[in-house]
Amino acid sequence: RKEVEQDPGPFNVPEGATVAFNCTYSNSASQSFFWYRQDCRKEPKLLMSVYSSGNEDGRFTAQLNRASQYISLLIRDSKLSDSATYLCVVLRPSGSARQLTFGSGTQLTVLP
Amino acid sequence: DGGITQSPKYLFRKEGQNVTLSCEQNLNHDAMYWYRQDPGQGLRLIYYSQIVNDFQKGDIAEGYSVSREKKESFPLTVTSAQKNPTAFYLCASSIDKGRDTGELFFGEGSRLTVL
Repeated sequence: RKEVEQDPGPFNVPEGATVAFNCTYSNSASQSFFWYRQDCRKEPKLLMSVYSSGNEDGRFTAQLNRASQYISLLIRDSKLSDSATYLCVVLRPSGSARQLTFGSGTQLTVLP
Repeated sequence: DGGITQSPKYLFRKEGQNVTLSCEQNLNHDAMYWYRQDPGQGLRLIYYSQIVNDFQKGDIAEGYSVSREKKESFPLTVTSAQKNPTAFYLCASSIDKGRDTGELFFGEGSRLTVL
């Protein structure tokens, strides 16, 4: 079983739609969780951290469910510019950035 | 502007040749990393360094070598021993003062193709 698993997609949604991605992780002692965004043939960039209580940043909402070991990302009112691959990232228990584990990503295409 | 610079952006190499990818950062970050990304796979850690003159193997270090002689620089050499070197290579840095935030800052990547 992979340490971090994501549905690869692709998700093709119309502009204005709401779309949600899930990600599961295998190590129950994992400490921190993140969503990164990667545009085609570009480097990943941090989109948002995921906090235990859930957190929101504009149209983006991240949730963590420790009991079921999954995190989610919800995008409301999708824009064309949201088209990208979204990477789920988990920090292993040691707590250092060197222990970040990346999922293989979920591809999103927002259609006009 | 602070950031991470990788070069070259595209590189072609013949089988059996070593090649060195450059990574320079002016963010004053302590930790630097090299990742490899293949289609349909997540980023995999090759090597990392948390301090000058020290570095550690990541999950897929075989066939690669690094050096960290300066805080700003962390070059990666892809040797002829690497069986499948064609990939997208990403250099990253982070503030690593013990327990950090987990945020990595990436360079734009180097795309290596072995002919």
